[in-house]
Amino acid sequence: GAVVSQHPSWVICKSGTSVKIECRSLDFQATTMFWYRQFPKQSLMLMATSNEGSKATYEQGVEKDKFLINHASLTLSTLTVTSAHPEDSSFYICSARGGTSGTAYNEQFFGPGTRLTVL
Amino acid sequence: GNSVTQMEGPVTLSEEAFLTINCTYTATGYPSLFWYVQYPGEGLQLLLKATKADDKGSNKGFEATYRKETTSFHLEKGSVQVSDSAVYFCALSEPGKLIFGQGTTLQVKP
Repeated sequence: GAVVSQHPSWVICKSGTSVKIECRSLDFQATTMFWYRQFPKQSLMLMATSNEGSKATYEQGVEKDKFLINHASLTLSTLTVTSAHPEDSSFYICSARGGTSGTAYNEQFFGPGTRLTVL
Repeated sequence: GNSVTQMEGPVTLSEEAFLTINCTYTATGYPSLFWYVQYPGEGLQLLLKATKADDKGSNKGFEATYRKETTSFHLEKGSVQVSDSAVYFCALSEPGKLIFGQGTTLQVKP
């Protein structure tokens, strides 16, 4: 099946610094990638949707200047948490959806997630 | 807006017990419905899906039937194993995205 990786799997940073999380589709071309945030014992909350080569579409209430998303290629999207604060601590999960054909067509495949802790 | 509600967990069962995890939804139109599973330390994996009313999705002994009249998509398995211990998410599709329930943790004891 289609595989999505995330890096790093966990990160600890100081308040005020920026953190970049990578999401890669390893064996298919992801025309669309999604970024979710998951709080303990809660559901996945969609933060934004990005299509390769275009600006991300953010969900209501998500600060686009704080959570910068870049989808520069068909296999890589990045989420940068800028000027992180303790309230940004969370589990961030990406997913990728393939294009017009193949195994990944029209189905979301999820990465293993990145645990961010801001001190 | 559209939403998904799952039964609260954790659900703790003995091996070979019968499993039901309830899921109900609110939606305009007729969305596709999904169950995802998240094993410890891993990403979400699609377990099964149903795209229209009365469809039954099945995989690995798990089943769920799309019930339009009760707006439900309950997950069932006749005999659980320790290896089924995971978090299970019910979800529905909106154009271009998925809406998830809050997840239900299943613990199966030997």
